[in-house]
Amino acid sequence: DAGVIQSPRHEVTEMGQEVTLRCKPISGHNSLFWYRQTMMRGLELLIYFNNNVPIDDSGMPEDRFSAKMPNASFSTLKIQPSEPRDSAVYFCASSLMRPPGELFFGEGSRLTVL
Amino acid sequence: GQQVMQIPQYQHVQEGEDFTTYCNSSTTLSNIQWYKQRPGGHPVFLIQLVKSGEVKKQKRLTFQFGEAKKNSSLHITATQTTDVGTYFCAGDAGNMLTFGGGTRLMVKP
Repeated sequence: DAGVIQSPRHEVTEMGQEVTLRCKPISGHNSLFWYRQTMMRGLELLIYFNNNVPIDDSGMPEDRFSAKMPNASFSTLKIQPSEPRDSAVYFCASSLMRPPGELFFGEGSRLTVL
Repeated sequence: GQQVMQIPQYQHVQEGEDFTTYCNSSTTLSNIQWYKQRPGGHPVFLIQLVKSGEVKKQKRLTFQFGEAKKNSSLHITATQTTDVGTYFCAGDAGNMLTFGGGTRLMVKP
């Protein structure tokens, strides 16, 4: 199995630009999670989906952030407009169960907003 | 909301010394998971504990779940340089995992 696949691995953009991060979960997993990791705040859960339906988005910082899961094999996290404080590593993870069993993390997308 | 605290934040040890990280939850947990993240890498699942008082071992790693299911620990015996990384606990209070802040382990050869 290829594992959770995220793209891009690195993104450098300027403040105000739109950023789209992509995730392909492990086939057969029905829960998908978006996390943000920074030195200051650690690993924060932004949103999670179960069977493609958003279950809890209380961790989404503000309206500039949105996430979609149009089908079982694809999810996006969009930031529009981006700000320097959004600089972080964004991880996507998938799980077979809900509530979650073992989380399988992707390699992450490192975002730098100048 | 649920909070999961981990201590210490950082730990430097000499290779061969033991290491322990502690995890405490503000609420009773249905289970707790442990993850390891190597520098520059992503969190990788180590183990899940479910039962009150449960103890599990993986080679030099020993995981414990408290009797009240609100705390947990990870102990590494005789650390090696390959143990370097950040260890996270993640508590499940019924519907969602909440990660602790992690303990970063550094091992001096």
